Amino acid sequence: TQLLEQSPQFLSIQEGENLTVYCNSSSVFSSLQWYRQEPGEGPVLLVTVVTGGEVKKLKRLTFQFGDARKDSSLHITAAQPGDTGLYLCAGEMGAGTYKYIFGTGTRLKVLA
Amino acid sequence: DAGVIQSPRHEVTEMGQEVTLRCKPISGHNSLFWYRQTMMRGLELLIYFNNNVPIDDSGMPEDRFSAKMPNASFSTLKIQPSEPRDSAVYFCASSPRHTGRNPYEQYFGPGTRLTVT
Repeated sequence: TQLLEQSPQFLSIQEGENLTVYCNSSSVFSSLQWYRQEPGEGPVLLVTVVTGGEVKKLKRLTFQFGDARKDSSLHITAAQPGDTGLYLCAGEMGAGTYKYIFGTGTRLKVLA
Repeated sequence: DAGVIQSPRHEVTEMGQEVTLRCKPISGHNSLFWYRQTMMRGLELLIYFNNNVPIDDSGMPEDRFSAKMPNASFSTLKIQPSEPRDSAVYFCASSPRHTGRNPYEQYFGPGTRLTVT
């Protein structure tokens, strides 16, 4: 059973456009992480959000954790070709636990 | 500093053969994770070690899979016998000492692409 659904599954946009990726679940998570994975490499952690309603910014990337801690979004402003990759969200199943459930992934391609 | 090191990077083997994947975590990290990634199932946690001790292996598909961590700097994932459905990319990740309620920060290796024919 996939607990974390990401949408859209695929996204191809032009350089300079804005986009939002969603991560949704019916389960409550203690924390949620976003990763970016490039071909032939492992996922790289971008951010961790812990508090419901929390918003974090990382340059052109804005991450939000839903108030109920069941969903999250990633917004990219003025996308660049270097943003191309597979974006994964991962929810922590219980506070202080090790167990992260990964989402289905959003494959983003930014065209120059 | 070196990140998580995995070997081999690619492995092609025939059904029924034994496969051993290796991982060297980041020095000083005390938690180690093995994941499997496929197009159909995404990234799945197989097993987790803390201080070299297996804590949860509920994600291991079946008895053909086994994992060991003989010391803090080395872990193996073994598949015996291998089957075509085991074809996937296997990732090892390590995490620094976990204190309080701070979420784990996992650092992934480059992965081993396994193909079983």
